[in-house]
Amino acid sequence: DIRLTQSPSFLSASVGDRVTITCRASQDISSDLAWCQQKPGKAPNLLIYGALILQSGVPSRFSGRGSGTEFTLTISSLQPEDFATYYCQHLNTNSYTFGQGTKLEIK
Amino acid sequence: QVQLQESGPGLVKPSETLSLTCTVSRGSISSHYWTWIRQPPGKGLEWIAYISYSGGTKYNPSLKSRVTISIDTSKEQLSLKLSSVTPADTAVYYCARAAYYDGYKVFDFWGQGTLVTVSS
Repeated sequence: DIRLTQSPSFLSASVGDRVTITCRASQDISSDLAWCQQKPGKAPNLLIYGALILQSGVPSRFSGRGSGTEFTLTISSLQPEDFATYYCQHLNTNSYTFGQGTKLEIK
Repeated sequence: QVQLQESGPGLVKPSETLSLTCTVSRGSISSHYWTWIRQPPGKGLEWIAYISYSGGTKYNPSLKSRVTISIDTSKEQLSLKLSSVTPADTAVYYCARAAYYDGYKVFDFWGQGTLVTVSS
C-alpha cells in the first residue's frame, strides 16, 4: 500500500506569511494527490486535487504542485482562518491513504 | 448540496460491536463511492472501508477482520459494523462520499462526524 509522509508535522507562522507543506508518497502516484483542511471539531474540507487543481470556492492563495512522489501545498499569504490542520490524501482502487497531518499554528 | 448525517450509539462497551448509520440526503447513494473514516481524539484521519455504488467493497487491512460496510439504497443509508471493539477504537467516525473530478477520485462531501467512546 502507498504511504504518505507529511512534513513538517507542526508549523508556526504569522498572518501574512507564506508557508509550504510537503507530502511524499512511498511510490509514484503521478498527480493523483489531494489536500484538505480540517478545523477543530469539523470535518475535513477539500482544497486541491490532481496535485494542483483548486476546488471550487477555495481562495487562490492556496496552490499545489508536484507529481510522482513529492508534492507541496503553499499558502501565499496566511489569513487568520487558515490556521488549521492540513492533510494530503490519495484515493486509489484498492485503498485510501492520508498523510499524518500538518498542524499550522499562529506564532 | 449532498448532505450526510451519521447516527449511532455514542458509547460502546469493550468486546461489543459498534454500529453506525450514515443517511444521505439531497443526493443518491446509488452512485459514487461511500466511505467510513475515523479520527481518534487528537490524532489523524484513518480510512476504514469503502463501498461502491455497485456494491464492491474495500477494507483497510488493519481493520478488515472486524469491519463490515453495507448500503441500503431504499433508505439511502450507509452502515458500518466494527466488532470486538477496544478503547483504541474510540474516535470520531465520519462518513464521506468519494467522487471523480477531472479523473481524480476525491472526498467531496463529509458528514459532521459522531464521537464513539469505547468504555465499560
